[in-house]
Amino acid sequence: EPEVTQTPSHQVTQMGQEVILRCVPISNHLYFYWYRQILGQKVEFLVSFYNNEISEKSEIFDDQFSVERPDGSNFTLKIRSTKLEDSAMYFCASSLTLSSYEQYFGPGTRLTVT
Amino acid sequence: AQRVTQPEKLLSVFKGAPVELKCNYSYSGSPELFWYVQYSRQRLQLLLRHISRESIKGFTADLNKGETSFHLKKPFAQEEDSAMYYCSLGGSSNTGKLIFGQGTTLQVKP
Repeated sequence: EPEVTQTPSHQVTQMGQEVILRCVPISNHLYFYWYRQILGQKVEFLVSFYNNEISEKSEIFDDQFSVERPDGSNFTLKIRSTKLEDSAMYFCASSLTLSSYEQYFGPGTRLTVT
Repeated sequence: AQRVTQPEKLLSVFKGAPVELKCNYSYSGSPELFWYVQYSRQRLQLLLRHISRESIKGFTADLNKGETSFHLKKPFAQEEDSAMYYCSLGGSSNTGKLIFGQGTTLQVKP
């Protein structure tokens, strides 16, 4: 069964550094998402992406964040200058349609900013 | 504001006991509600959605618009039901955005 994959599983970085989190969505899916979960808190929506454009972004998704689908298979989340409060689990998800809200989640990347 | 509230962080029951995981929402309009589940060391996955009115793994959830609730129920809990359960709401913007509750850990004891 096809799955969403994410790399790396754990990333440690220093404050102020740039990080890129990578995701490979399910191949025939058209809609892509990033969520994050700070330890002990709820899963929060960051951004949705369709047809090479951001469809919606949350207040968390400020100018430090960007997303890209560089080659038709990968979907990346870049954080330009990481802060301590960016430490979280980042989940990528994809879906074939919007209407069902059935999103397939990746296993997550744990980002630790020191 | 769109919001999902799961008042219980942890629900612990014995095998065979009934389970009810509570979820309340705040939404203006016709909500679309879902339960997602995360078993130990597995990824988040859709369990059920209100619109299909289905029973999955013995779980059901009824949307009560008057009480703005979408509680998840199972008459007889099994040990393999132990997991983290997240109630979620489809956002109004038609972009696929999901709004999650805090999650409830269900622990089913033998």
